Amino acid sequence: DSGVTQTPKHLITATGQRVTLRCSPRSGDLSVYWYQQSLDQGLQFLIHYYNGEERAKGNILERFSAQQFPDLHSELNLSSLELGDSALYFCASSVRAGISGNTIYFGEGSWLTVV
Amino acid sequence: SQELEQSPQSLIVQEGKNLTINCTSSKTLYGLYWYKQKYGEGLIFLMMLQKGGEEKSHEKITAKLDEKKQQSSLHITASQPSHAGIYLCGAGNGGATNKLIFGTGTLLAVQP
Repeated sequence: DSGVTQTPKHLITATGQRVTLRCSPRSGDLSVYWYQQSLDQGLQFLIHYYNGEERAKGNILERFSAQQFPDLHSELNLSSLELGDSALYFCASSVRAGISGNTIYFGEGSWLTVV
Repeated sequence: SQELEQSPQSLIVQEGKNLTINCTSSKTLYGLYWYKQKYGEGLIFLMMLQKGGEEKSHEKITAKLDEKKQQSSLHITASQPSHAGIYLCGAGNGGATNKLIFGTGTLLAVQP
């Protein structure tokens, strides 16, 4: 158990709908990262928050948004869902913001299926 | 942008055999991570390497970082069925964003 908690574990929804994925980081961690994993694209970085502020963005679609709340939990909002959005979405957390010397732990992921 | 290429893409070994997985970066490495993933599950942190020439071991898994070659290797000694899974290397891309990107993964199967 990495200490990073993601909910829900599985989600099935229809095209055009909106979903929210939730992440609770490890106790004491200030950074939260979101990743998308699909068979054709591999593990892709979406966005990084540190202590409530956005620090880095990857190839995150405009239909997707995220935020980190004062209690440090984070939510990833996916709207106008398309079949291609079906994937495993990971949240990860770490103590600091930089990569070097900063161990990053991953949650179990949220499986999203769009039908 | 930086890319990480892993080789081989997949590997089948007999239990008890040794094996090596490589991760090569297209640009300078700023820290190198190794993770293991069971299909459809989360990534399990294995090791993090920060300096050129650094070598770390955990149980039967050893990872090395060669900064000059922009490459890292993961070596498993006397493989066991519990070692089976997908191995992913990740690295910081440097620059202002300093985000962690991942390689394409290596699928390892260990035959009893």
